[in-house]
Amino acid sequence: GAGVSQSPRYKVAKRGQDVALRCDPISGHVSLFWYQQALGQGPEFLTYFQNEAQLDKSGLPSDRFFAERPEGSVSTLKIQRTQQEDSAVYLCASSPDRGSYNEQFFGPGTRLTVL
Amino acid sequence: AQSVTQLGSHVSVSEGALVLLRCNYSSSVPPYLFWYVQYPNQGLQLLLKYTTGATLVKGINGFEAEFKKSETSFHLTKPSAHMSDAAEYFCAVSEMGLTGGGNKLTFGTGTQLKVEL
Repeated sequence: GAGVSQSPRYKVAKRGQDVALRCDPISGHVSLFWYQQALGQGPEFLTYFQNEAQLDKSGLPSDRFFAERPEGSVSTLKIQRTQQEDSAVYLCASSPDRGSYNEQFFGPGTRLTVL
Repeated sequence: AQSVTQLGSHVSVSEGALVLLRCNYSSSVPPYLFWYVQYPNQGLQLLLKYTTGATLVKGINGFEAEFKKSETSFHLTKPSAHMSDAAEYFCAVSEMGLTGGGNKLTFGTGTQLKVEL
């Protein structure tokens, strides 16, 4: 079956522009996560959804970052007024339910470059 | 707070040699532990995980890892490296019993494995 997909795969933005990154999780997966992976680093947690509810947004680095999952499936991560430090790969992952032992299935990521 | 330390950002082995990638964790509660592999321009793929029970865990592609509570370690091994194993490997921890927030993962900084002929 289809895995997690993300679009666009690559995004170049000028500093100050707004961007929107899309994630299509595996159908039926309850949990959805966003991570940010800076160059040479491991992924870092941004935010978590259980269905349409955003239960944890403790990892969002600033109020310029906003995520939504209005119908409990597709999710969008929006970054307003992008800065150079926002350049990273943004990974989306989904999981069948909220259990701590469950595998998270990752998408290929969106590489954001802010000039 | 939980954390993961991966010793050695780059490891190089000969094809056919033993692979050993080190991971130490810190967690205030019994952890769930994971190893993921990342190939260039791809997402992370789960190699194996430890939840409860047997401390020696076998995963895909011949990899295995052993949970050692006394050493707070979860090192990844493979008896014989193959060229196709060249990739970046991430160790991650997820705390059990989180309420409300789901099982967010805390990752190490990764180890780049190079396999030489």
